[in-house]
Amino acid sequence: AQSVTQPDIHITVSEGASLELRCNYSYGATPYLFWYVQSPGQGLQLLLKYFSGDTLVQGIKGFEAEFKRSQSSFNLRKPSVHWSDAAEYFCAVGAPTGNQFYFGTGTSLTVIP
Amino acid sequence: NAGVTQTPKFQVLKTGQSMTLQCAQDMNHNSMYWYRQDPGMGLRLIYYSASEGTTDKGEVPNGYNVSRLNKREFSLRLESAAPSQTSVYFCASSPRQGSFQETQYFGPGTRLLVL
Repeated sequence: AQSVTQPDIHITVSEGASLELRCNYSYGATPYLFWYVQSPGQGLQLLLKYFSGDTLVQGIKGFEAEFKRSQSSFNLRKPSVHWSDAAEYFCAVGAPTGNQFYFGTGTSLTVIP
Repeated sequence: NAGVTQTPKFQVLKTGQSMTLQCAQDMNHNSMYWYRQDPGMGLRLIYYSASEGTTDKGEVPNGYNVSRLNKREFSLRLESAAPSQTSVYFCASSPRQGSFQETQYFGPGTRLLVL
């Protein structure tokens, strides 16, 4: 069965520091990969997605993610974190065929001044 | 455009009561979804509708029913609420029919407390 794992439940970074949020998936074929962000009390918003092609994907708000097939990973990065980036981040995978879609358990990001 | 709207924003039920969560989208999307979000468990798919007139079970459908009333609206019904259904419920939509391979657009959520 496919799954998606976000090993870090909570991360704290200083404003201006770099950020990397980890996501690993378990799937036979390369799935469709997504990162969503959820601000407190809000719905989810897509940051970026990977379907195929260039393994480094640029998203909104200065985020990027790199797909590494050999590691079954799709980690999210940002060079310099802003206080407004404090939120919950979810990795998600969709099957290349069929109707299967799973969210990870999320990583909560705290940004300290 | 309002995007995806959900009503109510917050609801308290007693065990055994029934209620319907409403969801509507004005983006002319074909697919719609219902998720529940619980602490430490991320979002789990309850039901989805790949197109008007069709619905399918997701990962956690027990205790719920859905209706795709028309292309715009997708409702979630709890016939006999249980405390285990205390959660935050999100509705989402995506443009194409039956596609989990594209961006989903989420509503603001409904917080449900079952006592």
